[in-house]
Amino acid sequence: QKEVEQNSGPLSVPEGAIASLNCTYSDRGSQSFFWYRQYSGKSPELIMFIYSNGDKEDGRFTAQLNKASQYVSLLIRDSQPSDSATYLCAVNVGNNAGNMLTFGGGTRLMVKP
Amino acid sequence: EAGVTQFPSHSVIEKGQTVTLRCDPISGHDNLYWYRRVMGKEIKFLLHFVKESKQDESGMPNNRFLAERTGGTYSTLKVQPAELEDSGVYFCASSQNRVKGVGDTQYFGPGTRLTVL
Repeated sequence: QKEVEQNSGPLSVPEGAIASLNCTYSDRGSQSFFWYRQYSGKSPELIMFIYSNGDKEDGRFTAQLNKASQYVSLLIRDSQPSDSATYLCAVNVGNNAGNMLTFGGGTRLMVKP
Repeated sequence: EAGVTQFPSHSVIEKGQTVTLRCDPISGHDNLYWYRRVMGKEIKFLLHFVKESKQDESGMPNNRFLAERTGGTYSTLKVQPAELEDSGVYFCASSQNRVKGVGDTQYFGPGTRLTVL
């Protein structure tokens, strides 16, 4: 079993729709959760992070965390073609500052005009 | 503020040769990480520096890989001798030193694409 799992996609949504990206993780000790966006050939770009159970909203993005179910998701409202990219879920295990990130394989999102 | 920079952007070498990758973190960031993504796989952690000290090198694949961060500024990752399976994209990330108890936010560089023929 992989430590961080994501559906590789592609996930195709029409412009203006809500895109829902999901991630599960295996280590119950995981403390911090990050969503990165990566365009082809570019560096991963941080979108959001979440530490506490519940929802966290930032503009069109909402991260949702459920530690009991070991599940974290990213919702993108009013999806735009420019949101088309690979979305990486990353998990930080442990409570020391500066711990490594464990990544999922990424979900490719395609937003069609 | 300048982001994380990496050099070179691409490197093509032959098996058995040596390659050195460089990473310049965001100014003031004590934490520096190296990650690697081989084709078809997820990004994997290699090692972590806090200033000039190696905090965690559990992800280094073998002793052909040597990372340094002299003076706690930029870092180099040397592969000697390179093998075919070393091909991939090598990412560097940096973060500020944070209070224990929460994960730090890591900012990634553009990566170095290494091809070993």
